[in-house]
Amino acid sequence: KAGVTQTPRYLIKTRGQQVTLSCSPISGHRSVSWYQQTPGQGLQFLFEYFSETQRNKGNFPGRFSGRQFSNSRSEMNVSTLELGDSALYLCASSLGTSGGPYEQYFGPGTRLTVT
Amino acid sequence: AQKVTQAQTEISVVEKEDVTLDCVYETRDTTYYLFWYKQPPSGELVFLIRRNSFDEQNEISGRYSWNFQKSTSSFNFTITASQVVDSAVYFCALSEAGYQKVTFGTGTKLQVIP
Repeated sequence: KAGVTQTPRYLIKTRGQQVTLSCSPISGHRSVSWYQQTPGQGLQFLFEYFSETQRNKGNFPGRFSGRQFSNSRSEMNVSTLELGDSALYLCASSLGTSGGPYEQYFGPGTRLTVT
Repeated sequence: AQKVTQAQTEISVVEKEDVTLDCVYETRDTTYYLFWYKQPPSGELVFLIRRNSFDEQNEISGRYSWNFQKSTSSFNFTITASQVVDSAVYFCALSEAGYQKVTFGTGTKLQVIP
């Protein structure tokens, strides 16, 4: 079974720009979560999508948004980039069905650098 | 609010030593789930274990074992006879039952010296 894939792997953007990151979950997984990982704040939960609906949300500003498609693939968007948005963005997939939360399977991440 | 504390920032051990990684959590929920993940130098987090709050049995998987003590809100992880390949950052995590909203600890970086 193919793992979680994320594209692109590396990205360099300028302050004020916007960026879209993509995540393809493991086949059969309907839940996709996004995390931001930084040396200072560690791993922080952004949001979770299940069946094209945002089901859970972390404490991030509205500049961070996401969506999920009918094939469970997900994208996250960050608008008006700030220097502090430089981080490793991780996507994780899980079954997401009742009886959870289930273990998550993580992708390799997208390393975003904002200059 | 939920909180996970991993007080050990970095640990170094010599190969074949046993090592215990501590995890203390806080939650007001009566039903919750605890996890451990490993992040090797390559960067990709790997799931190790999932445990719900009603199951306090200790678990052993090869050289890995976990000790869950609800009375002290701890979910410690022990690696027996450590190997160089165990070098990684280990994260303890917590989630309320029914929600895929995971709170991670800050991680413990384990270095196993040959």
